[in-house]
Parts: sequence; C-alpha cells; structure tokens
Amino acid sequence: NAGVMQNPRHLVRRRGQEARLRCSPMKGHSHVYWYRQLPEEGLKFMVYLQKENIIDESGMPKERFSAEFPKEGPSILRIQQVVRGDSAAYFCASSELGATYGYTFGSGTRLTVV
Amino acid sequence: SQQGEEDPQALSIQEGENATMNCSYKTSINNLQWYRQNSGRGLVHLILIRSNEREKHSGRLRVTLDTSKKSSSLLITASRAADTASYFCATDLKETSGSRLTFGEGTQLTVNP
Repeated sequence: NAGVMQNPRHLVRRRGQEARLRCSPMKGHSHVYWYRQLPEEGLKFMVYLQKENIIDESGMPKERFSAEFPKEGPSILRIQQVVRGDSAAYFCASSELGATYGYTFGSGTRLTVV
Repeated sequence: SQQGEEDPQALSIQEGENATMNCSYKTSINNLQWYRQNSGRGLVHLILIRSNEREKHSGRLRVTLDTSKKSSSLLITASRAADTASYFCATDLKETSGSRLTFGEGTQLTVNP
C-alpha cells in the first residue's frame, strides 16, 4: 500500500500561471481532504471531497481555487492565476470512513510563486 | 483565538526527559486527535481520544482529555532525539461532524541528545 501520493513534491510557478496539484488517496479511501500550511503555522482546511462530489468547500477561496475528485484518477487542486500569497505547502489527506476516524496524509506539495 | 491551540509553541528538552504539550479548544467535540509532523513532511496520526474517554495510552504516549475544561494534553515519556518534530492537536467538532478536522498551530518539540 503506497499510502497517499501527492505530486509534484515541489512546484514553482510565475505569477499569473496555473498550479495543478495531484493527490491519489490510499487504496480503499473514498474521502479526500485538502489543507494549506503556511510556514510555522498549522493546517487550514480547504475542501473535502468524495468521488465526483464536493462535500464541503467552506475553506476554499471563492476565486481562482477549484478542486475535483473524478470517478477515475487522482484528486486535483487547481489554482489559477497564482499570486505570491499562494506560496505554501498543500497537503492532501484521505480517510476510509471520514475525518472522525483520522487521516492519512501525503507528503505535500510545496508551491512557490515567483 | 482559534480552535485547537497548543501550548507551549516551542519546547526544548534533554533526551530521557518527559515532554508535555497542551491543547485547548472552544466548542464541543466528538473526538480529539494528535498528529506529528517531521520537518518538510506530512502529518502522521498518533492517537485519537473520544469525548467520553479521559485517558489513553499508546507506547510512550499518554493523552488526557478534560471536556469540562475543553483541553487535552499529550505526554511523551522518556523522550528520544527522534521525537523531535512538531505536534498538532486536531478536533472533530460536533458542528462539523465528519466533515473535517480543525488543527491547532502546533508545538515544536526539540529533544537534545
């Protein structure tokens, strides 16, 4: 079992470009969560998805950010027209039965906007 | 202030000593979970304590929960240099039950050899 796989590990984008972050949950896990972590801070919730459905996107900025978890393939977090303030570590977590039972985290994608 | 605030922000101890970290939260919970994060890595789930439990053990870890004070503590006994990491509490709030965990800002633990 490969665990939660995130790629790329590091991503550098120029201001105005698009960033696309991928997350493959653990085998058997249908719940996917995206969090953002700024340096020296905790994790901030962004979005919770199940296959083909966004369950809770209350932590997502209203503009430029979107997420999906298609029937086939990984979950994608997309950031359009990136700005310097988007620089952060983005973590994906998955769960078999939901957040109540705990998460398995990926190693994160470190996005740097230059 | 935010849900799941850890205290202290940073803790430095010698190998063999015990390390205690505290977490406070504001609203009712289903459970509280502790995670560990090594520098530059993802978080690893350590232990979960339900709202009707008061204490739980796992190896060198001991977690307590006081729902009347809305606080929890994580005790690491006989610490090792390899325990150096950031430790986060995460709450499964009743108001967001199952939808997500809410993380605190973390305690940075340094264990000196």
